[in-house]
Amino acid sequence: SQQGEEDPQALSIQEGENATMNCSYKTSINNLQWYRQNSGRGLVHLILIRSNEREKHSGRLRVTLDTSKKSSSLLITASRAADTASYFCATVPISSGSARQLTFGSGTQLTVLP
Amino acid sequence: ETGVTQSPTHLIKTRGQQVTLRCSSQSGHNTVSWYQQALGQGPQFIFQYYREEENGRGNFPPRFSGLQFPNYSSELNVNALELDDSALYLCASSLAVGTVSGANVLTFGAGSRLTVL
Repeated sequence: SQQGEEDPQALSIQEGENATMNCSYKTSINNLQWYRQNSGRGLVHLILIRSNEREKHSGRLRVTLDTSKKSSSLLITASRAADTASYFCATVPISSGSARQLTFGSGTQLTVLP
Repeated sequence: ETGVTQSPTHLIKTRGQQVTLRCSSQSGHNTVSWYQQALGQGPQFIFQYYREEENGRGNFPPRFSGLQFPNYSSELNVNALELDDSALYLCASSLAVGTVSGANVLTFGAGSRLTVL
C-alpha cells in the first residue's frame, strides 16, 4: 500500500514559473525524501529532510516538513523544460526497523512548457 | 565509480513462467532493495538484502524471492508469473544498514520492464 499521496497528480506550468508539489503520509517517520523519475526509468534522489527539520534547500529546490500535519511540500523555483518528470515523496517509517525501507507515494507528473 | 546496472532492460514472458532479474550495486554500497512499479503508480517495496540475507520484506507472496552475492550484486526471481506481475522492476543500492546515519538514500538502476502475456 502507498504510505504517501502526492497532490496534485499532474501539474503543467510555463518555463520560469515555480512548481509546488505536496505530499501527505500516514505514520511517524525517520525522514522524508523526494525523488524524480524521467519517463518510467530509474528514480534519482533529490533531497532528504529529517523528522526534526522543518525546511531544507538545495539549489532550486526547497522542501518543507510539518510532522504535526504529516505533510511535506517540494518547491522548484524558476522551472525549466528539463524539470519535466514525475516527482515522488518517500518516507522511512519508524516502524520499518533495521531495513529502513522507503515507502513511496503515487507521484506528481510535472510538465514544464517552453 | 559505477552506478546501479540492471539486466535485462526489457523482457516478455507468459503466465506460469519464471523470470530472473539481475542487479549490480553501486560501488561501496552494501544493501540492495527491489521495488515493483506498476504503470502510473509509485514503487512498491518487495524486499531488501544485506549481508546476503533478506532484511525486510513488503507485501509480496513467496513466489517473489531474491539473492545477494558476496560482491553485493543481487537477483530477483519470480515464479509462476501472473498477468499482474507486469511492471517495471527497480533495483536500488544503498549504504544504510549498519551505518550510524542510516538515512537510506537509494541509488536506483534504470529498471527491468517485464511484460507477462
